Amino acid sequence: GEDVEQSLFLSVREGDSSVINCTYTDSSSTYLYWYKQEPGAGLQLLTYIFSNMDMKQDQRLTVLLNKKDKHLSLRIADTQTGDSAIYFCAERLPGGYNKLIFGAGTRLAVHP
Amino acid sequence: DAGVIQSPRHEVTEMGQEVTLRCKPISGHNSLFWYRQTMMRGLELLIYFNNNVPIDDSGMPEDRFSAKMPNASFSTLKIQPSEPRDSAVYFCASSRAGGQGSREQYFGPGTRLTVT
Repeated sequence: GEDVEQSLFLSVREGDSSVINCTYTDSSSTYLYWYKQEPGAGLQLLTYIFSNMDMKQDQRLTVLLNKKDKHLSLRIADTQTGDSAIYFCAERLPGGYNKLIFGAGTRLAVHP
Repeated sequence: DAGVIQSPRHEVTEMGQEVTLRCKPISGHNSLFWYRQTMMRGLELLIYFNNNVPIDDSGMPEDRFSAKMPNASFSTLKIQPSEPRDSAVYFCASSRAGGQGSREQYFGPGTRLTVT
């Protein structure tokens, strides 16, 4: 079946790196996404990775994909208080409709 | 582009009343998704459309919920009659389906529904 799992909570110190992990079950997923949700707002796309890649870097963000283990991670370098939010991992199923399966979200708390 | 537009942003209603939530997708997007978010159940996909046609409504919780997409630029989610357990944030998202590319979903700001 389709399932995406994430740890629910992560606490880091300002300036440290944050690593948010995600596992998914559908090996035919074509794209995997990271979304960010700030309080009172909708989900905002942070980054994505195509399934034939194993790494993607975008400024402070690094996405690692281990397709064999169906494991995805998001690393945020030099974490700031503005990074405090809920981070959702999502997999896109094959087929033409762009249906996404979302994880439950990881709440990142950044403290001084 | 203005992004996905949802209205109202907040809705407070009494149990038994009809509630209609509205969504305008991004121009040119042909897939539209309705989600519900609560603390207890997280983010749930309720229904999605492709080219204005409902593809999968298996996430709609009960017959009290219905959704329509009369044209490419407008969709509604209706709850009739509403119940306190329907209180949640309802999100609409749109994407460009088909072809190549990342085809990410873009989310609206959500409608916070409170049923008393």
